[in-house]
Amino acid sequence: QAVVTQEPSLTVSPGGTVTLTCGSSAGAVTSGHYPYWFQQKPGQAPRTLIYDTNNKHSWTPARFSGSLLGGKAALTLSGAQPEDEADYYCLLSDSGIPWVFGGGTKLTVL
Amino acid sequence: QVQLQESGPGLVKPSETLSLTCTVSGGAISSHYWSWIRQPPGKGLEWIGYIHYTGSTIYNPSLKSRVTLSIDTSKTQFSLKMNSVTAADTAVYYCMRSFKGAYWGQGTLVTVSS
Repeated sequence: QAVVTQEPSLTVSPGGTVTLTCGSSAGAVTSGHYPYWFQQKPGQAPRTLIYDTNNKHSWTPARFSGSLLGGKAALTLSGAQPEDEADYYCLLSDSGIPWVFGGGTKLTVL
Repeated sequence: QVQLQESGPGLVKPSETLSLTCTVSGGAISSHYWSWIRQPPGKGLEWIGYIHYTGSTIYNPSLKSRVTLSIDTSKTQFSLKMNSVTAADTAVYYCMRSFKGAYWGQGTLVTVSS
């Protein structure tokens, strides 16, 4: 089973831009992994921000976007807000094989 | 809007079987992938497995020997059974619907303790 790697922690200034990445020990992440990105705040259930690489739910703030970057899935936050401080998890969900979460990135807005 | 709600005992004794049910409302259960995910206190998310509405299943290899997922389309519910639990299975358990998006339940804390 592949290991999915995320940055353990990142810091962004209010109004700034930051990119979180999601890599796989099995090789390049592609659209065929149907990458998901979830946001989780303390004491809350995760909330889906991005699915299938770059698709947003109706509740996803426009400042979040998903992409593939250098063989990894990426979540870019442009114009960070204090309320974006949270843990972020990616999920790679290949069809027919076990899915794997990344270890999560703790994002600080400071 | 689809909603998911986990239910089941909050306390399970070591070596016994953990059983949880996820009730789905606001959407059909006869489509999509239906997953269970857990999160031990202070740790990250761990994917347990999914069941497709057709009944096909995929499990996390590290849990496969202890986990069974099932689905009841007539009740719009799907279920998790995990046997031989230990304290390491103490976690918040979430159910999730995915395929063209993902919707989560609010989670339920299960503590394994005598």
